[in-house]
Amino acid sequence: EIVLTQSPATVSVSPGERVPLSCRASQSVNNYLAWYQQKPGQAPRLLIYDASNRATGIPDRFSGSGSGTDFTLTISRLEPEDVGAYYCQQRYTWPWTFGQGTKVEI
Amino acid sequence: EVQLVESGGVLVQPGGSLTLSCAASGFSISLHSMNWVRQAPGKGLEWISYITTGGGTIYYADSVKGRFTISRDNAKNSLSLQMNSLRDEDTGVYFCVRALYGDFYFDLWGQGTLVTVSS
Repeated sequence: EIVLTQSPATVSVSPGERVPLSCRASQSVNNYLAWYQQKPGQAPRLLIYDASNRATGIPDRFSGSGSGTDFTLTISRLEPEDVGAYYCQQRYTWPWTFGQGTKVEI
Repeated sequence: EVQLVESGGVLVQPGGSLTLSCAASGFSISLHSMNWVRQAPGKGLEWISYITTGGGTIYYADSVKGRFTISRDNAKNSLSLQMNSLRDEDTGVYFCVRALYGDFYFDLWGQGTLVTVSS
């Protein structure tokens, strides 16, 4: 099973700041990685797929990069509504796995 | 409106059984692979099962293999999860999820249904 390790576990930032979130895979997943946002009390929402493609309707302040084992989700200018947990997920091999999440606070 | 609505989550004793249902509206699930993803209280996300459009290919996470069964009824536009031999660690919110972008990523989620396994 591929293990995804996210860092940091929690990050506290101010509105308008740039926020990089890291996801490291225990083995290469090529570019078969997605990012999800989960706001408190809500279901997750797909932000990025195939490492760098924004899903439909996602603001361009969210961007993804990386390939192989190291990936980054960057929020270019944090908005107050971006508070929540962010998860990476690989679909390179079964079982599909998620990282443990990074919590973004203001 | 395009949505998924889960139902069937209840309090059940360890060793018990339960079936979760997911009703889709605003789109046809026959065009999409579908999944179940769960989240234990205060914890992260765990993918648990996948089924292709016609049901011919199914995968499970090791944590539920042999105990859970995913199925679909395209005519009724619905997805199900039969859960047997339930354990305390199966407690959590269960999400019905549509796969898109090559049928690999989770683009549409239900609101979830809470399953509590406790004596």
